[in-house]
Amino acid sequence: NAGVTQTPKFQVLKTGQSMTLQCAQDMNHEYMSWYRQDPGMGLRLIHYSVGAGITDQGEVPNGYNVSRSTTEDFPLRLLSAAPSQTSVYFCASSYGTSTGELFFGEGSRLTVL
Amino acid sequence: AQSVTQLDSHVSVSEGTPVLLRCNYSSSYSPSLFWYVQHPNKGLQLLLKYTSAATLVKGINGFEAEFKKSETSFHLTKPSAHMSDAAEYFCVVGNTGFQKLVFGTGTRLLVSP
Repeated sequence: NAGVTQTPKFQVLKTGQSMTLQCAQDMNHEYMSWYRQDPGMGLRLIHYSVGAGITDQGEVPNGYNVSRSTTEDFPLRLLSAAPSQTSVYFCASSYGTSTGELFFGEGSRLTVL
Repeated sequence: AQSVTQLDSHVSVSEGTPVLLRCNYSSSYSPSLFWYVQHPNKGLQLLLKYTSAATLVKGINGFEAEFKKSETSFHLTKPSAHMSDAAEYFCVVGNTGFQKLVFGTGTRLLVSP
C-alpha cells in the first residue's frame, strides 16, 4: 500500500524556472492539500482540494498553482521560482474533511538559487 | 481565527523519564486539536486527536494529551521516554470541517541514553 507518493524528493532550480511537484495517493481520498515547511514556522497550507475539479487557496498561495483533474493526483506548480520558495513541501490527503487525520507524503525538498 | 502556540522549541529528556510537550490554543469556537509527530526526513503522522469527546485522549506509542478549556491548553505527555520518541512534534488546531488545519511551530524532542 503506497499511501501518498511525492516526486521528486529533491530538486534544485534557478530563479525564474518553473516546475511541478507531483503528488499521488492510492487511498481514494477526497481531500488533498499542499503544505510548505520552513524552520521555526511549522507547516503552512498552500492550496487544498475537497474533490476532483475543486481547489481553494490556503494561507500562502502566491506563486503556486494547483489543479485536481482526478481523485488520485494533485500536482503543485511553481510558475516562476523565487529563492523565497526554497522549502520542504508536503502533500497530504484524508478520506474526507470530517476527521482531521491527514496522511502525509515524505516530502519534496526544493532549493531555488 | 485560530492559532496554536508551542511553548518550547526544544525539550531534552533522558530515556525512561517523563515527557511533557506544551501547547496552548486560541479559537473562537470549540476547537478540535491534534498532535502530529515527524521523524527525521519523514512525513508527519497523527499521534492523537481531541474532538469534544473525552478530555483525556490516548494516542499511539503511549502518548496522551489532556484538553483543558479553562487553561486553553492541550499538553502532550508520556510517562517514560524511549529513544525512538526523538522527533519533532506539532500541535494542530482544526476548524469545522478540518479543511484548514493550523500547525504550531513544532517542538523537537531529544532523548538521551
